[in-house]
Amino acid sequence: GAVVSQHPSRVICKSGTSVKIECRSLDFQATTMFWYRQFPKQSLMLMATSNEGSKATYEQGVEKDKFLINHASLTLSTLTVTSAHPEDSSFYICSATRGSTEAFFGQGTRLTVV
Amino acid sequence: QQQVKQSPQSLIVQKGGISIINCAYENTAFDYFPWYQQFPGKGPALLIAIRPDVSEKKEGRFTISFNKSAKQFSLHIMDSQPGDSATYFCAASMTTASKLTFGTGTRLQVTL
Repeated sequence: GAVVSQHPSRVICKSGTSVKIECRSLDFQATTMFWYRQFPKQSLMLMATSNEGSKATYEQGVEKDKFLINHASLTLSTLTVTSAHPEDSSFYICSATRGSTEAFFGQGTRLTVV
Repeated sequence: QQQVKQSPQSLIVQKGGISIINCAYENTAFDYFPWYQQFPGKGPALLIAIRPDVSEKKEGRFTISFNKSAKQFSLHIMDSQPGDSATYFCAASMTTASKLTFGTGTRLQVTL
């Protein structure tokens, strides 16, 4: 299957700072990328959908000014958590699709805000 | 209408037994139903998927049964192994490549 890589896999940041998470499709061009958030022992909740070269579409209740998504190329999307607070601590997972194929998921990024 | 309900929340099965996880959906526009396996600290990995025009799909020890009229689908893991111990999520989407709505997850433990 296709490979989607996230970086970093773990990050700890201080409250009030910003942190950037990268999602890369390593062996295919991703027309669409999705960002999910998963709290401990809970399901994956979609945060936003991004298409290369256009603005991301955010799900209801997700603050677009807090979670900045950039999809500048067909192989890279970034999620920036701005002014992070402890309640933003979570597991962030991206997925990518190419055309009509199924989504391939990254390995996730564990964000801890202290 | 976007919900996907999943049960049970947790499941303990003996090695060699059959694990069965059930899901139900409401949105009749859903057209793609995948199952994912997730190990702690890892992203979900696609196990098997089905479309509504098929009532059953089998891949190795994994089988999806689909009941379109009841809007339900289930995952059967035959000959369950300790290595199958993980969290399983059902999901649904409008197309293969569109956003996924996940079920609540089932923590499966396969004992020796």
